Amino acid sequence: GAGVSQTPSNKVTEKGKYVELRCDPISGHTALYWYRQSLGQGPEFLIYFQGTGAADDSGLPNDRFFAVRPEGSVSTLKIQRTERGDSAVYLCASSLYGTASEAFFGQGTRLTVV
Amino acid sequence: AQTVTQSQPEMSVQEAETVTLSCTYDTSESDYYLFWYKQPPSRQMILVIRQEAYKQQNATENRFSVNFQKAAKSFSLKISDSQLGDAAMYFCACRSGAGSYQLTFGKGTKLSVIP
Repeated sequence: GAGVSQTPSNKVTEKGKYVELRCDPISGHTALYWYRQSLGQGPEFLIYFQGTGAADDSGLPNDRFFAVRPEGSVSTLKIQRTERGDSAVYLCASSLYGTASEAFFGQGTRLTVV
Repeated sequence: AQTVTQSQPEMSVQEAETVTLSCTYDTSESDYYLFWYKQPPSRQMILVIRQEAYKQQNATENRFSVNFQKAAKSFSLKISDSQLGDAAMYFCACRSGAGSYQLTFGKGTKLSVIP
């Protein structure tokens, strides 16, 4: 596709359940980022991939959060034992390289934990 | 570490008028980039304008321009000839340090455009 695609657009899950959020970056982009945007806040960095490897996962809040990018393209953000505090919009972005190139964002997944 | 502060939670402007959104930042790095992003209800963050810290000239993109005051660590966005489609959340962001990739965002300003 032409832009960054995220699925699902919205996800409602029960507390304690496991969820997976998917990101399809722009074709050819080697860098991929996940951000979390809580209500009334700006996005906060979670993790950065360069190719298949997580170059920086310092923003992941705890070990319930994990992300993969096995073939250097699609990425999945995985959240175990969801809590109500995990409710937020999860944004994915990709860029051609890592540092100097512009990051393009998807429309995010709104996760609601009830 | 870097911080970005947007002190105006909400702003409004009359259609065709000019509005300025404020942003201040703090970083210990000498090499950094500043950005303004627009987030409409669709949630997608759209880059409006960027400014490299080493450039003294203020960036301009059509109706959008910035006032970059490096010593004051201020980075305001001016929108001229405001249009209904400009209504959205606007986020100021900073990426600092050589080789940096991580964006730090402010809390945003909600801009309403009055017809």
